[in-house]
Amino acid sequence: GENVEQHPSTLSVQEGDSAVIKCTYSDSASNYFPWYKQELGKRPQLIIDIRSNVGEKKDQRIAVTLNKTAKHFSLHITETQPEDSAVYFCAASDQTGANNLFFGTGTRLTVIP
Amino acid sequence: DAGITQSPRYKITETGRQVTLMCHQTWSHSYMFWYRQDLGHGLRLIYYSAAADITDKGEVPDGYVVSRSKTENFPLTLESATRSQTSVYFCASRLQRLYNEQFFGPGTRLTVL
Repeated sequence: GENVEQHPSTLSVQEGDSAVIKCTYSDSASNYFPWYKQELGKRPQLIIDIRSNVGEKKDQRIAVTLNKTAKHFSLHITETQPEDSAVYFCAASDQTGANNLFFGTGTRLTVIP
Repeated sequence: DAGITQSPRYKITETGRQVTLMCHQTWSHSYMFWYRQDLGHGLRLIYYSAAADITDKGEVPDGYVVSRSKTENFPLTLESATRSQTSVYFCASRLQRLYNEQFFGPGTRLTVL
């Protein structure tokens, strides 16, 4: 099955700085890569996703890049704010009938005011 | 709009007891999933269902049983709970197979003593 690795496990940045979280995946056939944000005690929520036919996608302060050749994708958050503090999970779809998501182990982002 | 709900939100049980976690969604989504979330492991898929009466194993199915007699409900049963099953359990649903946002329920925190 798919194997997703995520780095770093923790990340602290000053408010206003940028944050980058990186993930690699093993299955070259994977074609969908969502990112979820989970605040403390809450459910994971989708913040952005990208499909394999696109190299980059942007939504206001967040962007995701995908390098299919290298099998890695990254989340970029610019102008970070304290409310960006959360755990972020990347995921990659497998190619079984259900297109199940395999998740990375998460990155705890702390934005220091 | 209730969306996707889980019950109970918190449960404490003893080793060897049977426990059932409930999941209900109001969107008529075809796909439903059960994940467990443990520190250092991210979200791991236990079981999934593509439609009523169709279920299949995920990454970590041992010790769990599911059923899906109705589209909106997807209960997860621990037939004989063990301490290693202490975790936060998330149910999720998705409308279709491809490229659709997966919505998570609020989670159930289960402690097995």
